[in-house]
Amino acid sequence: DVKVTQSSRYLVKRTGEKVFLECVQDMDHENMFWYRQDPGLGLRLIYFSYDVKMKEKGDIPEGYSVSREKKERFSLILESASTNQTSMYLCASSLPGGPGELFFGEGSRLTVL
Amino acid sequence: LAKTTQPISMDSYEGQEVNITCSHNNIATNDYITWYQQFPSQGPRFIIQGYKTKVTNEVASLFIPADRKSSTLSLPRVSLSDTAVYYCLVGDNTNAGKSTFGDGTTLTVKP
Repeated sequence: DVKVTQSSRYLVKRTGEKVFLECVQDMDHENMFWYRQDPGLGLRLIYFSYDVKMKEKGDIPEGYSVSREKKERFSLILESASTNQTSMYLCASSLPGGPGELFFGEGSRLTVL
Repeated sequence: LAKTTQPISMDSYEGQEVNITCSHNNIATNDYITWYQQFPSQGPRFIIQGYKTKVTNEVASLFIPADRKSSTLSLPRVSLSDTAVYYCLVGDNTNAGKSTFGDGTTLTVKP
């Protein structure tokens, strides 16, 4: 089975802290994604990556950055966390080309105080 | 980008067939339609995918009319364990950043 693992299920951080959310997939997928999920707003794409060291902005990249140094790992970085970044963060991966099927991790619920 | 619209919530009873519709008026030629199911505290998981007409697998059917401006996920004989949020995603993986999730439909199945 494809497995997408997010390093932390629950995090509590303070305003201004730097936050790292890690995601690892074990299926050699080229594509990796970070989504944010908030009540009533569905899933919104923050960043995605087609390959190592490549990244593209999604719909809501402001306040976030990403890093993909290895194919299996995609990190989401909050340089200076703010309370409005309290949310559920979901990582996903997929093969390139075609319609694609997204494989999601379990999610990381971040609370910024 | 194809904007998608789904009902916010639906109720059903065990054993009934449930149909959830997603509207996507400006779907592009290369876009596929994919449905995901999400339980609380879990990531979404793939249910079914299609391009046109009808697709059926062991858990659901997907109906897509000729104009492709909408799609309907059909769940036959639902059970309590089908209570979840259902999302439609319209897009093309070759341009994955342009795929659009709907806001999700919360399905509640009652005994």
